[in-house]
Amino acid sequence: DVKVTQSSRYLVKRTGEKVFLECVQDMDHENMFWYRQDPGLGLRLIYFSYDVKMKEKGDIPEGYSVSREKKERFSLILESASTNQTSMYLCASSLGGDQNIQYFGAGTRLSVL
Amino acid sequence: DQQVKQNSPSLSVQEGRISILNCDYTNSMFDYFLWYKKYPAEGPTFLISISSIKDKNEDGRFTVFLNKSAKHLSLHIVPSQPGDSAVYFCAASGGGNTPLVFGKGTRLSVIA
Repeated sequence: DVKVTQSSRYLVKRTGEKVFLECVQDMDHENMFWYRQDPGLGLRLIYFSYDVKMKEKGDIPEGYSVSREKKERFSLILESASTNQTSMYLCASSLGGDQNIQYFGAGTRLSVL
Repeated sequence: DQQVKQNSPSLSVQEGRISILNCDYTNSMFDYFLWYKKYPAEGPTFLISISSIKDKNEDGRFTVFLNKSAKHLSLHIVPSQPGDSAVYFCAASGGGNTPLVFGKGTRLSVIA
């Protein structure tokens, strides 16, 4: 079974803090993704990566950066957390190919106070 | 501009009846369509998919229908069970390494 592990289920941070969200997958997948989910807005893509040290902006990259130093690990960084970044953050990985099925982690519920 | 649309934010169905969740798309380059199911405080899980060369795919109680000319797909759940209560996301793939494009989701409530 594919396993995508997000380091924290719940996080509470202060405005202005630098926040790191970590994601690890164990299936040697090429592609990794970060989304946020908000009520009524569905899943919105923040950043994705299709190879080590590669990154591509998604639909809402502002206020975020990412790091992929190893194939299995993809980190999302909030440079200076703001209250409008309070959300559920979801990491996913995929092998690519035709169907491009993405496998998701359990999510990190981040609250910025 | 939304390329994948789920126009019903919520749906309520009696246990044992059929649930039909709908999805429309605008990009004719999409090759595969996927459905995901999401429970609260969990990540989405892959449910079923269909290739653009097919018009139907079945897996147990779940069937996905694709109408390419109408750019419309639907997920049928028969019979519906209380454990099916979740948010369902429709997604489309252009293949390769391109990210999936997700709809906003439909919350299904199956009432016992």
